[in-house]
Amino acid sequence: DGGITQSPKYLFRKEGQNVTLSCEQNLNHDAMYWYRQDPGQGLRLIYYSQIVNDFQKGDIAEGYSVSREKKESFPLTVTSAQKNPTAFYLCASSRSGTYYGYTFGSGTRLTVV
Amino acid sequence: ELKVEQNPLFLSMQEGKNYTIYCNYSTTSDRLYWYRQDPGKSLESLFVLLSNGAVKQEGRLMASLDTKARLSTLHITAAVHDLSATYFCAVGPKETSGSRLTFGEGTQLTVNP
Repeated sequence: DGGITQSPKYLFRKEGQNVTLSCEQNLNHDAMYWYRQDPGQGLRLIYYSQIVNDFQKGDIAEGYSVSREKKESFPLTVTSAQKNPTAFYLCASSRSGTYYGYTFGSGTRLTVV
Repeated sequence: ELKVEQNPLFLSMQEGKNYTIYCNYSTTSDRLYWYRQDPGKSLESLFVLLSNGAVKQEGRLMASLDTKARLSTLHITAAVHDLSATYFCAVGPKETSGSRLTFGEGTQLTVNP
């Protein structure tokens, strides 16, 4: 079955460390997205990519970086510049230019220790 | 900038009762989505609404879209405990061909016996 896989499910980061969250999809979707969710709040867009080798900043890109070298993969790096990274991170994908909405991964819960 | 507002943000209701969640958005759109999120889990797609007057129903949930009023509603009929979750609406701006969505803050629904 096609789907979108995020790993790891839980991640702990020490102060000053960079960490990378993985997102892989086998749905043949063109577009991929990273959202951040804080407790009791909605989703805020970090980065998105509509085609390979191209991506755009979302509303809260500072302290994060991404790459899109393959259609299937859209990893997110949380850098040490992100001062408050503890949150639930959701990756999603969609067919570009159509109206089918997103398919979400299961999420990664990142905690700073 | 597209803004999406949901109300209420918290809803506690008794089993068997009816209620409506509202989703207002600030700019022209031709696509609106409803998602459900269980605690600690990812988002699950409920409804896709793509035209003015669109109405979709699944079980005890019914969603509608009024693009002229920039309003969508999610109506709950005869609530049951299994409907307890957080419900998000998401909107895509009409003027772009991209698939980026903006999410509301979510409505946390608790159905009590």
